[in-house]
Amino acid sequence: GAVVSQHPSWVICKSGTSVKIECRSLDFQATTMFWYRQFPKQSLMLMATSNEGSKATYEQGVEKDKFLINHASLTLSTLTVTSAHPEDSSFYICSARDRSSPLHFGNGTRLTVT
Amino acid sequence: DAKTTQPTSMDCAEGRAANLPCNHSTISGNEYVYWYRQIHSQGPQYIIHGLKNNETNEMASLIITEDRKSSTLILPHATLRDTAVYYCIVGDGGSQGNLIFGKGTKLSVKP
Repeated sequence: GAVVSQHPSWVICKSGTSVKIECRSLDFQATTMFWYRQFPKQSLMLMATSNEGSKATYEQGVEKDKFLINHASLTLSTLTVTSAHPEDSSFYICSARDRSSPLHFGNGTRLTVT
Repeated sequence: DAKTTQPTSMDCAEGRAANLPCNHSTISGNEYVYWYRQIHSQGPQYIIHGLKNNETNEMASLIITEDRKSSTLILPHATLRDTAVYYCIVGDGGSQGNLIFGKGTKLSVKP
């Protein structure tokens, strides 16, 4: 079945620095990938839709200049949290779909900003 | 906003069937019912989906009512490893569509 890999699985960074998270579709090509954020004891919230070869589409309230998304190939999307602050600490999850199959999710990245 | 309603939590005895209900009274004709689960600190795992017919796979069965306004996910023999948050989601199944997650049901399987 479709496999989505996310890296790193966890990261700790200092306030003011930037962090890049990678999302790869391992056995299929994905023209579209999705980035979610999940705070403790809450559900997943869609942040943005990543489109291969074009600009990402951001959900209302998500700052596009803070959460930079690059989808340079059909198997890789990256999310960069720029100038991270403690309130950006969260669980970030990506997902992708192989043609008409259901969405498959990566295992998430736990970001802690100190 | 999520288009589904699920109980906040449920308990199930190990080895027994777990029946998780979901209401989706505003589902439209081209929308599927998807079930995912999320074990603590992991990404959501796909379980099953259906349009109007009942579905079964190696993980679970999905029973959809004839009017499609509700469904039930059945884990036939729950194990401790099935303890997770279970999300029922409706979506159009299109190749580009994302899924909107509600709060899900926290299933606790007890020995």
